[in-house]
Amino acid sequence: KQEVTQIPAALSVPEGENLVLNCSFTDSAIYNLQWFRQDPGKGLTSLLLIQSSQREQTSGRLNASLDKSSGRSTLYIAASQPGDSATYLCAVNTGFQKLVFGTGTRLLVSP
Amino acid sequence: GAGVSQSPSNKVTEKGKDVELRCDPISGHTALYWYRQSLGQGLEFLIYFQGNSAPDKSGLPSDRFSAERTGGSVSTLTIQRTQQEDSAVYLCASSLREKLFFGSGTQLSVL
Repeated sequence: KQEVTQIPAALSVPEGENLVLNCSFTDSAIYNLQWFRQDPGKGLTSLLLIQSSQREQTSGRLNASLDKSSGRSTLYIAASQPGDSATYLCAVNTGFQKLVFGTGTRLLVSP
Repeated sequence: GAGVSQSPSNKVTEKGKDVELRCDPISGHTALYWYRQSLGQGLEFLIYFQGNSAPDKSGLPSDRFSAERTGGSVSTLTIQRTQQEDSAVYLCASSLREKLFFGSGTQLSVL
């Protein structure tokens, strides 16, 4: 059974820092991996999607990497801003369109 | 509409009552998903609709839960004889390909 773990569970940093969020999964047989952002009381917003054949994806200040063989993905946020404060979730697509989600990392960026 | 719409945004009900949760997906999206997010836990897959195919109901936790999708668009998730453990945020998502777009969810509280 696929299990997804995110470390750390919570992270607090001052504005301007570069930071890394970690995601690990137990079964390397995945189709893709997505990183989402969730703001309080709102749904999830897809940030980046990495196909199993890809190593990384970039969007603005965000960079996500994927090492399928070791079951790891990282989300790198450059020059963090208070507006980046949210919960970040990673999810792996195990096939048949079912996503298995991690429990998330709560990020707080202080001005 | 521009995004996935869910109603109601909040629902408080008494134990034993039935509830219906509604999801309006993005127009043209063929796939629709229901997930449940309980406090302190990751998102749990419930059910997946794809076009006119039979839905994947493998995530429904009990036979008190059912869902339908009428005309390939609007979906309703029904929970019969609600229990306190059903309290959670119920999230709907739709997609055309692999990227999922989520609604803001329905916060269900069973007293």
